[in-house]
Amino acid sequence: NAGVTQTPKFQVLKTGQSMTLQCAQDMNHNSMYWYRQDPGMGLRLIYYSASEGTTDKGEVPNGYNVSRLNKREFSLRLESAAPSQTSVYFCASRAPPDYNSPLHFGNGTRLTVT
Amino acid sequence: LAKTTQPISMDSYEGQEVNITCSHNNIATNDYITWYQQFPSQGPRFIIQGYKTKVTNEVASLFIPADRKSSTLSLPRVSLSDTAVYYCLVGDTDSNASKIIFGSGTRLSIQP
Repeated sequence: NAGVTQTPKFQVLKTGQSMTLQCAQDMNHNSMYWYRQDPGMGLRLIYYSASEGTTDKGEVPNGYNVSRLNKREFSLRLESAAPSQTSVYFCASRAPPDYNSPLHFGNGTRLTVT
Repeated sequence: LAKTTQPISMDSYEGQEVNITCSHNNIATNDYITWYQQFPSQGPRFIIQGYKTKVTNEVASLFIPADRKSSTLSLPRVSLSDTAVYYCLVGDTDSNASKIIFGSGTRLSIQP
């Protein structure tokens, strides 16, 4: 099992450009999450998805959109990137039963917006 | 959501036992306590989870008093490789996919 795979690993964007961060898990998990982590800070929840076809806002959803197209994949889109979105983005998933199950994280996407 | 409070940073030396305490005064009856470890440039990884009393695995021990308003992560005989950020989380009981919020964590630095 690859676990949680995130692509790309690194990305540089100019202000106003758009891009989609991809996340896939092969563990048959129901719930998936997107977090961002700014340098020296903790993780902040952007969006999460309880199951295929459902998504909910987290702590910092502004400037982002998500898609849960199937059980495996949960993508994060930046429609018009801003320097404030420079961060490391982590995707995570959670096994059923979701309640109290631990999160499994990917290795992150390091995004710089200039 | 049960909020957690833990020290911002801790320092220790190789070979010492390190105890990191987390307070969670509003923990709900069904909530478990979960600890994650994060190395630089990596995603957090699960290290231990417990409900009450004591849980031990190959990495750490978790001590939870009877009132469950706090918990202590114990790392025996730490090494330089234990330098990381440690997060304490308490489960949310009201949905299948909890809105899992991380705090700032405890930045543990181990010196030779």
